Amino acid sequence: DAGVTQSPTHLIKTRGQQVTLRCSPKSGHDTVSWYQQALGQGPQFIFQYYEEEERQRGNFPDRFSGHQFPNYSSELNVNALLLGDSALYLCASSLVAGERYTQYFGPGTRLTVL
Amino acid sequence: RKEVEQDPGPFNVPEGATVAFNCTYSNSASQSFFWYRQDCRKEPKLLMSVYSSGNEDGRFTAQLNRASQYISLLIRDSKLSDSATYLCAPGDYGQNFVFGPGTRLSVLP
Repeated sequence: DAGVTQSPTHLIKTRGQQVTLRCSPKSGHDTVSWYQQALGQGPQFIFQYYEEEERQRGNFPDRFSGHQFPNYSSELNVNALLLGDSALYLCASSLVAGERYTQYFGPGTRLTVL
Repeated sequence: RKEVEQDPGPFNVPEGATVAFNCTYSNSASQSFFWYRQDCRKEPKLLMSVYSSGNEDGRFTAQLNRASQYISLLIRDSKLSDSATYLCAPGDYGQNFVFGPGTRLSVLP
């Protein structure tokens, strides 16, 4: 049973660039949520995708956008990168109709913006 | 008041000790509650789910007090391998998880 996978593992970008992070959910899951975790803090909710639509969004600017594909995998795009975007980006998958919304996390993508 | 607050820690305890963490939340609509553990530079891993008054799994016990809006996590007979950061996450039916800042635990030999 494949767990949540994310790519790439690490990424280094410079200010102003754009980045795309990828996530494949746990087998059988249909919902993907993205989180940003800065050093020493808890994960902050960015947005959630279900049925290829953004279902909920946290307090993040429009520079953060996403997409969900028919196979439930998802991408997170960040435009015009700022130094403050440096963080661990976590993807979590869940099943709308089961397990009472339990979310399982992928290993994360560590983004460094120089 | 922040949405989710946790004991700031760090907690440094000897092996075999019992330790308890508290987590308070402000959203009274929260229906499900989760404790995750996170090792340094790793992803959060689900430790325990709480839907009613509490849950117990081996050395770990979680208790929920809806009236006071707090959740606690008790770890008995601490092991070195329990050293990690413990994250509290209340969730609602929209599956919107709000994580606390985490409580760091170090179990010392």
